[in-house]
Amino acid sequence: DQQVKQNSPSLSVQEGRISILNCDYTNSMFDYFLWYKKYPAEGPTFLISISSIKDKNEDGRFTVFLNKSAKHLSLHIVPSQPGDSAVYFCAARITGNQFYFGTGTSLTVIP
Amino acid sequence: EPEVTQTPSHQVTQMGQEVILRCVPISNHLYFYWYRQILGQKVEFLVSFYNNEISEKSEIFDDQFSVERPDGSNFTLKIRSTKLEDSAMYFCASSVQGISNQPQHFGDGTRLSIL
Repeated sequence: DQQVKQNSPSLSVQEGRISILNCDYTNSMFDYFLWYKKYPAEGPTFLISISSIKDKNEDGRFTVFLNKSAKHLSLHIVPSQPGDSAVYFCAARITGNQFYFGTGTSLTVIP
Repeated sequence: EPEVTQTPSHQVTQMGQEVILRCVPISNHLYFYWYRQILGQKVEFLVSFYNNEISEKSEIFDDQFSVERPDGSNFTLKIRSTKLEDSAMYFCASSVQGISNQPQHFGDGTRLSIL
């Protein structure tokens, strides 16, 4: 059961350009979404979140967009930096504390 | 910045043996979690723990698994009789209680290898 899907396993972007990472979900009951960033040999690190009552949340270079009708979530990173190279996971919650993770997208920012 | 710490970083165990993975959550956090990530697959929720009891668990968390908070700082995951398919990265996480929608802070994981 793949309730949260990240269909692009990898993405390469030039430094300074925009990175767009996508996430689709199937369960309309999800009420809270997060993006995590993960470097090799480290645990996921929280990046940004959005509640289902909003359609956009911005934090510095990171913006998350939520399209509930399409059940689609995206993370925009502008401008992309080499240090952004990592695996990005989206996660979603129905209620409570059980989060469903996507399979991750590996972002490479080329200097 | 406070962080979640996990020990050991790598655990190698014979199939059928018991294994205990240890975690020290962030000190003012009251919710605790275990996740696992089998190589090449997604991060999967195992269990959440609050007020000294399991609050939620997934279908993965069967009778072979147990969690415990033996003292004020540690949070452990025990696998009673390990199987080959238990080989994975196990991540501990914690979050603050009281404010809704708080993100979980993850440790760096324990790589469990079952031989």
